This record gives sequence, C-alpha cells and structure tokens, in this order.
Amino acid sequence: KQEVTQIPAALSVPEGENLVLNCSFTDSAIYNLQWFRQDPGKGLTSLLLIQSSQREQTSGRLNASLDKSSGRSTLYIAASQPGDSATYLCAVKEEIQGAQKLVFGQGTRLTINP
Amino acid sequence: GAGVSQTPSNKVTEKGKYVELRCDPISGHTALYWYRQSLGQGPEFLIYFQGTGAADDSGLPNDRFFAVRPEGSVSTLKIQRTERGDSAVYLCASSRRGQGWETQYFGPGTRLLVL
Repeated sequence: KQEVTQIPAALSVPEGENLVLNCSFTDSAIYNLQWFRQDPGKGLTSLLLIQSSQREQTSGRLNASLDKSSGRSTLYIAASQPGDSATYLCAVKEEIQGAQKLVFGQGTRLTINP
Repeated sequence: GAGVSQTPSNKVTEKGKYVELRCDPISGHTALYWYRQSLGQGPEFLIYFQGTGAADDSGLPNDRFFAVRPEGSVSTLKIQRTERGDSAVYLCASSRRGQGWETQYFGPGTRLLVL
C-alpha cells in the first residue's frame, strides 16, 4: 500500500528565507507527483506537477524535484513571503491500470513571519 | 463554470440523519473524484467516476456512503445514517479525461459536521 510522508509537519521561518519541504513515498511505481497549496478553510490549488519521467518542474519562485527511484520529492521556495503561509500537500498518482486516485501526505503547515 | 463548485459549503446535521453533497465539475471534464479530509490530515480518496459510471469506489468506507453521476456531469455524494466520525471536509475534483498524466482540479469543499 502506497504511503506518503511529509516532513516537517510544521515550519516557521522569517520572511525572505529560502526553504525546502520534503515528501517521501514508499512505492516508486507512480505516474506523477503533484504539490498542492491549501489555505485555511479553502480547497486545494495545484502548484506543480512532475511526471514520472521528469526530474523537476519550476514555476516562479517554486521548484519541485523528483527522485522516483529513491521515493523522494522536494519543494523549494525561494525568497519566502508572508503570502506563502499555507499548508503544502504532496500527492502521488500510482501507476496502476485504471486507477486515478491521488495518495496524499498529511501536509506541512508553513508560516512565514514578516 | 470556471472551476469546480461544491454545495453546500457547510452542512451541520444530527447523528443518524441523511445528507447529500453536490459537486459541479469543470465543464467538459469527464473524470470526477471525491476525497475526504479529516482535520490535520491529507485528503483520502473515496470514489472516481469516468462519465456516468463509478470506475473505482475502493475508497468508500462502508455501505452508508454512495455517490451518483447520472448524466456524467454533476455528482452527488450521499451519506446515510450519519455518524460523528463522518465529520470532515468533503472535496470534489475533476480532470479532462481521467488520463494518468492529468492534473486534478479541486473544489472548495463541503465542511460536514455531525453532532
């Protein structure tokens, strides 16, 4: 059974710092890995999607990497801002015929202090 | 519409009652998904529709939970004889065709509280 773990569970840093969020998964047979952002009381916003054949994806100040063989992904946030405060979730889509479910980690709650 | 919409945004009910939660996917998306998110946890998969049919319902916790999508667009998640443990945020998502490489787009969720 696929299990996704995110470390740390919570992180608080001062504004302007670069930071890394970690995600690990137990079964490397995945289609892709996706990072989401969730604001309090809101739904999920997709940030980056990395296909299994890719090593990384970038969008603005965000960079996500994928090491499929070791079961790891990182989300790098450069020059953090208070508006980046949210919960960040990673999810994998398993490489199973006909299966489309995402398996999520429990999230990292990020606070950027002005 | 522009995104996935869900109604109601909040629902408070009493233990033992029946509830229906509605999801309106992005127009033209054939694949629709339901997830449940408990406090402090990541979402957990419940069911996936491709068109009108449930292609994977392996995440439904028990037979009190049922979902339909009769015309291949709007979906309703139905919970019978609600229990306090059913309290959670119920999220709906859709994707264009349900292909492995596609992004799933999520709605804002319905917050269900069972008293």
